[in-house]
Amino acid sequence: AQSVTQPDIHITVSEGASLELRCNYSYGATPYLFWYVQSPGQGLQLLLKYFSGDTLVQGIKGFEAEFKRSQSSFNLRKPSVHWSDAAEYFCAVTNFGNEKLTFGTGTRLTIIP
Amino acid sequence: GAGVSQSPSNKVTEKGKDVELRCDPISGHTALYWYRQSLGQGLEFLIYFQGNSAPDKSGLPSDRFSAERTGGSVSTLTIQRTQQEDSAVYLCASSLAGREQFFGPGTRLTVL
Repeated sequence: AQSVTQPDIHITVSEGASLELRCNYSYGATPYLFWYVQSPGQGLQLLLKYFSGDTLVQGIKGFEAEFKRSQSSFNLRKPSVHWSDAAEYFCAVTNFGNEKLTFGTGTRLTIIP
Repeated sequence: GAGVSQSPSNKVTEKGKDVELRCDPISGHTALYWYRQSLGQGLEFLIYFQGNSAPDKSGLPSDRFSAERTGGSVSTLTIQRTQQEDSAVYLCASSLAGREQFFGPGTRLTVL
């Protein structure tokens, strides 16, 4: 069965500092990978996705993620965070023909001035 | 519409009552999904529709939960005889086949 691990429950970062959120997946086939962001009381917004091809993918709001098959990882990065990036971030995996998403437990990001 | 919409945004009900939650997907999206988000269980898949058919109902937690989709568009998730453990945020998503899912704002269900 597929699974996703987000080892960091909560991360605090200073505004303007760089950010990396970790995601590891367990999946037998070629995965489709996603990062979603959720602000309080809101639904999930898609930040970026990886289906195939270039392993470094760019998303919205200045985020990027790199797929590393050898490490079963899909870490999310941003060079300089803004106070508005404070939210909960979810990594998710599926594959073609499976359709349903399996989510990690999420990482809550706090930004300090 | 521009995005996935869900109604109501909040629902408070008494234990034992039935509730219906509605989802309007993005126009043209053939696939529709229901998920549940709760503090103890995180984000859980409930059911997936392709058109009006539900090839995967594996996430429905009990036979009190059912869902239907009509006209390849609107979907309704029904919970019968609600229990306190049903309290959660119910999220709907839609997609083109095999593509990324777009989520609605969710329905927060509180069972008293």
